[in-house]
Amino acid sequence: EPEVTQTPSHQVTQMGQEVILRCVPISNHLYFYWYRQILGQKVEFLVSFYNNEISEKSEIFDDQFSVERPDGSNFTLKIRSTKLEDSAMYFCASSDKGYNYGYTFGSGTRLTVV
Amino acid sequence: DQQVKQNSPSLSVQEGRISILNCDYTNSMFDYFLWYKKYPAEGPTFLISISSIKDKNEDGRFTVFLNKSAKHLSLHIVPSQPGDSAVYFCAANSGSGNTGKLIFGQGTTLQVKP
Repeated sequence: EPEVTQTPSHQVTQMGQEVILRCVPISNHLYFYWYRQILGQKVEFLVSFYNNEISEKSEIFDDQFSVERPDGSNFTLKIRSTKLEDSAMYFCASSDKGYNYGYTFGSGTRLTVV
Repeated sequence: DQQVKQNSPSLSVQEGRISILNCDYTNSMFDYFLWYKKYPAEGPTFLISISSIKDKNEDGRFTVFLNKSAKHLSLHIVPSQPGDSAVYFCAANSGSGNTGKLIFGQGTTLQVKP
């Protein structure tokens, strides 16, 4: 069964450093998303991406965050200057028909900012 | 953000019996609802969805019921199996057009005892 692949599975970074979280969506999918889950809290929407541009972003997704689909297969989330409160599980997801049919999520990247 | 609430943090049922997971929402503009299942160290997995124009959707052992007047939906699993033990998230769509933004509840941990 096709999978959404996320790397790395765990990333530890120092506060203020830049991190790039990588995702390979399912190959024929057109809609891409990033979500995060801070430990003990809800899964929160960050951003949706379609046709090479952001469709919607949450208030969490401020100027420190950016997304890119550099080569037609990867989908990346960059955090320019990490803060302690960015520590969370970050999930990438993709869909071919839009959200109403359910996304396929990756297994996540656990980001720890120290 | 309390637009989607799952008031029961945990539920324990016996194998073979029915599991009923509940979800309440506050935003009457939501028009699609989804249930996801999550195992530890994995991303959420889509289970079943329902449009706001319906009151029931069934897929094998899983049935979702929607009561729009009460702003309430529930997921029924019959019969429950030990492999169903996981965290279950209710989610609702929000946002203009097909941006794909989902708002998640905080999850209910289901334990199915053999």
